[in-house]
Amino acid sequence: SQQGEEDPQALSIQEGENATMNCSYKTSINNLQWYRQNSGRGLVHLILIRSNEREKHSGRLRVTLDTSKKSSSLLITASRAADTASYFCATDSGSARQLTFGSGTQLTVLP
Amino acid sequence: GAGVSQTPSNKVTEKGKYVELRCDPISGHTALYWYRQSLGQGPEFLIYFQGTGAADDSGLPNDRFFAVRPEGSVSTLKIQRTERGDSAVYLCASRAAAANTGELFFGEGSRLTVL
Repeated sequence: SQQGEEDPQALSIQEGENATMNCSYKTSINNLQWYRQNSGRGLVHLILIRSNEREKHSGRLRVTLDTSKKSSSLLITASRAADTASYFCATDSGSARQLTFGSGTQLTVLP
Repeated sequence: GAGVSQTPSNKVTEKGKYVELRCDPISGHTALYWYRQSLGQGPEFLIYFQGTGAADDSGLPNDRFFAVRPEGSVSTLKIQRTERGDSAVYLCASRAAAANTGELFFGEGSRLTVL
């Protein structure tokens, strides 16, 4: 079963614009992680935010977490064509010792 | 090795055949995970190992699926009597320890096609 649901399912923007993807989940978490997947490749970890954190930055990435709403958002600023990929949120509930992934957002950045 | 290695990268088989997929995790990583990803979906958990033992196999869809990790390093996912619905990308991931709630390191996956 999939814990997270990403929104939107697909997003197409112009290079230079910002891209925002949202993730909602159902159970309490220890942390939430975002991963990126290029077509036909494995997943690559982008950023992790702990349940006691509200916002985190890494380069052009900004992640927010609202545990009261059980939601997170990933913002990619100044997008590039190379950012074209699928983005997945994944929740770590701690006790399960596994990550539960959402269904992903397919981001297309047009040059 | 430097990263998680999975073989084969592609496997085409006929319905009813037996398949083995191999995963070589990052050296020293005690926790190893298998996920399955269908087209357009996120990875779905199958099983994870802490060392040699399967700590959680609740994601295995049925008894045709089995995985081993006899020496606590390389793992093999085994699928018996394959069905067309088994077609997917099988992803392996590792991390330093299951208790380390950090990132997973994924391999490139094994794409299984059952004709």
